Amino acid sequence: AQSVTQPDIHITVSEGASLELRCNYSYGATPYLFWYVQSPGQGLQLLLKYFSGDTLVQGIKGFEAEFKRSQSSFNLRKPSVHWSDAAEYFCAVGAWGGKLIFGQGTELSVKP
Amino acid sequence: DARVTQTPRHKVTEMGQEVTMRCQPILGHNTVFWYRQTMMQGLELLAYFRNRAPLDDSGMPKDRFSAEMPDATLATLKIQPSEPRDSAVYFCASALGERSGNTIYFGEGSWLTVV
Repeated sequence: AQSVTQPDIHITVSEGASLELRCNYSYGATPYLFWYVQSPGQGLQLLLKYFSGDTLVQGIKGFEAEFKRSQSSFNLRKPSVHWSDAAEYFCAVGAWGGKLIFGQGTELSVKP
Repeated sequence: DARVTQTPRHKVTEMGQEVTMRCQPILGHNTVFWYRQTMMQGLELLAYFRNRAPLDDSGMPKDRFSAEMPDATLATLKIQPSEPRDSAVYFCASALGERSGNTIYFGEGSWLTVV
């Protein structure tokens, strides 16, 4: 069955430090992978997605993610975190019919 | 700026009352999803429609939940009767097409509290 695991429930980083959020997926075929961000009280906004081709995907707000088939991973990275990046981040895999299966989310806190 | 619109944004209701949440998908999108977000379960797919026809509602408690698309610009999610365990954020989302890689756009959610 398709599934997504985000091992870290909560991460705290200092402003200006680099960030990596982990995501592992389980999917039989080549996956379509997504990262969404949810600010407090808001809906989900797409950061980036992976279809095929280049395994390093660039997104909005300076985020990037790397697809590693051998590790079944799609980790999200940002070289320098800003206080406004504090939010919850969701990794998802595209499933049959166009629906998304989400991980449990990682809450990011940014300390000054 | 095209967006998915949900109403109400916030709703507090008493147990046993009927709750109706409405969603206007992005114009031209033919696939509409209803997700529920709770602390315990995270984001769960309740139901989704394509070209107004229900494709999958297996995630929805059938005895009290119902979802419909009266027309292409309106999707509704109804709970009757509501229970405290239904307290959650309900997201509507829409997409164009049926491919697994299509981008799904989310509304800002309907925050439901049942007391």
